[in-house]
Formats: sequence, C-alpha cells, structure tokens
Amino acid sequence: DIQMTQSPSSLSASVGDRVTITCQASRDISNYLNWYQQKPGKAPKLLIYDASNLETGVPSRFSGSGSGTDFTFTISSLQPEDFATYYCQQYDNLPDTFGQGTRLDIK
Amino acid sequence: QVQLVQSGAEVKKPGASMKVSCKTSGYTFTTYGITWVRQAPGQGLEWMGWISVYNGNTNYAQNFQGRVTMTADTSASTAYMELRSLRSDDTAVYYCARKKYSSGLVDYWGQGTLVTVSS
Repeated sequence: DIQMTQSPSSLSASVGDRVTITCQASRDISNYLNWYQQKPGKAPKLLIYDASNLETGVPSRFSGSGSGTDFTFTISSLQPEDFATYYCQQYDNLPDTFGQGTRLDIK
Repeated sequence: QVQLVQSGAEVKKPGASMKVSCKTSGYTFTTYGITWVRQAPGQGLEWMGWISVYNGNTNYAQNFQGRVTMTADTSASTAYMELRSLRSDDTAVYYCARKKYSSGLVDYWGQGTLVTVSS
C-alpha cells in the first residue's frame, strides 16, 4: 500500500495568513492526488484534484502543486470559513490512501 | 446535480451486521464506481473498498477482507455496503463516494451514516 505522510498534523493561523500543507507519498503517484476539506459533522469536500486542478466552484485562494512523491497545498489568504481539517488522498493505486489530516484552527 | 444520499444512523450490538445504502442521482450510475470510506470518532479517513458498478467487481481493503460485501443495484441506482461481525471499534461514520473509472478520481460524497456498535 502507498503511505501518505501529511504534515503538519495541526496548524494555528490567523485570518489573512498564507498556509501550506505538505503530503509525501511512499512511492511515485504521478499527479493522482486529491486535497479535501472537512468540517465537523460533514463529508469531505473536494478542493483540488490531479494535484493542481481546482474543483469547480472552489475559491482561487486554494491551490495545489507537485508530482511524483511530493505535494503541496496552499491557502493564499485564510478566510474565517477555511478553518477545518484538510486531507490529501492518493488514487494512483488501490487501496486509495489518505494522509493523516491537518487540523487548521484559529490562532 | 449529482447527489449521493445515504441511509440513516444505526445502533448495532457486537456481533451483528450492518448494511448502509447509498442512493445516487444526477448521473448515469453505471459510468462511475462507488467507494466506501469510514471515519471513527475524532479520527482520520479509512478506505474500505470500492465496487465497479459497471461489472460488479470489487476490491476490499485488507482490514475488512471476509467481513465486508459491497454491491450495487443498477435498477435503483443504489450501492450497498454490508459489514458483518461488528465490534465496538467499528463505531464510525461511513461514507460512500463516486469514483471515476478512468482516473480513479473520487469527487462527490454522500452525507455519511453514523453506525454505533454498543452492547
């Protein structure tokens, strides 16, 4: 199975900050990587697919980059509604595997 | 619009079975697979397996082999996930999600079904 190592596990930031989350795959997954946002009691919401493509309707302050084994997710200017938990997920090989999650809260 | 609507919360006793349904709409059911993911309280996301709705082929995570069965009823555009021999650590929210055949991309998710296993 491909292991996804996501960091940091938690992050405190302020509105307007730029934040970056990383995800490292245990082997090459090309660009088969999603980034999700999850709020308490809700299903994950797809933000970025194929490592760098913004899902329709998702604000442009969210972005993703990377390929192979190293990936980055960035929020350029945090908004109050962005405080949530974020997960990466690889879908290059079954089983699809998730990172451990990054909890983003208000400083 | 694409929707996946799951069945309601359940309470089960240890050793029992559960079966969650996932009714889809807004797209042609057979053109995507369905994947199942669970999330224990306060924990991360755990992939359970997926079913190719087109031909019924399944792939299950090793942790669930022998205890899980995923099926799909194309006439009802509904997928099902059955988990047997329940234990207290199966208490979780169970999600279905749509999975593209071509790329494997998982995009739309159901709202989740809370299953509580308790004596």
